Amino acid sequence: DAGITQSPRHKVTETGTPVTLRCHQTENHRYMYWYRQDPGHGLRLIHYSYGVKDTDKGEVSDGYSVSRSKTEDFLLTLESATSSQTSVYFCAISESGGRTYGYTFGSGTRLTVV
Amino acid sequence: AQSVTQLGSHVSVSEGALVLLRCNYSSSVPPYLFWYVQYPNQGLQLLLKYTTGATLVKGINGFEAEFKKSETSFHLTKPSAHMSDAAEYFCAVRPVNTGTASKLTFGTGTRLQVTL
Repeated sequence: DAGITQSPRHKVTETGTPVTLRCHQTENHRYMYWYRQDPGHGLRLIHYSYGVKDTDKGEVSDGYSVSRSKTEDFLLTLESATSSQTSVYFCAISESGGRTYGYTFGSGTRLTVV
Repeated sequence: AQSVTQLGSHVSVSEGALVLLRCNYSSSVPPYLFWYVQYPNQGLQLLLKYTTGATLVKGINGFEAEFKKSETSFHLTKPSAHMSDAAEYFCAVRPVNTGTASKLTFGTGTRLQVTL
């Protein structure tokens, strides 16, 4: 595989608690992305990063924040989890912004907010 | 903004039959186009992509797709379905030459069922 791991793989948390998901890559790729996958919606972009400390919002960024203090790690934080954030979260990486090889995806984190 | 539409959230075919999964994009300029496959409890895996050049693109596992500019389509096909092809398939689009701001936009997915 491409050297991208997500942790944890599964998490159950209570409404109102903060949650941090981690994406770690060993490919030294510049671009990293966080998507959420929900039935009927496909994958929707939450946030992305185009370098260390360079991040930007995607189409569904409300309630989420991200940080990238080093190339290999991209953290997604739910400041105060809500039931609507129950989803499967995928991290993706790319070398060229997806121009040449598309994205490589992690195995996902299944988050349940109760 | 660019978007993709996948016609049919569920498609069922018999083993050995033709697989056809439809994808149409909306863009004033032909974008980069991708097909991904997702097996249960896994991440997405790139099947094939169209960037430039030949409009008929061959991918892994016997799949291919043809870029048709006049129809704004990028349909995925496989001549003979196998049980192992059962999965969810996503079409995705990325604008050309728009730098770091460009991201992949995904369709809503098509779940392929293969029956005996």
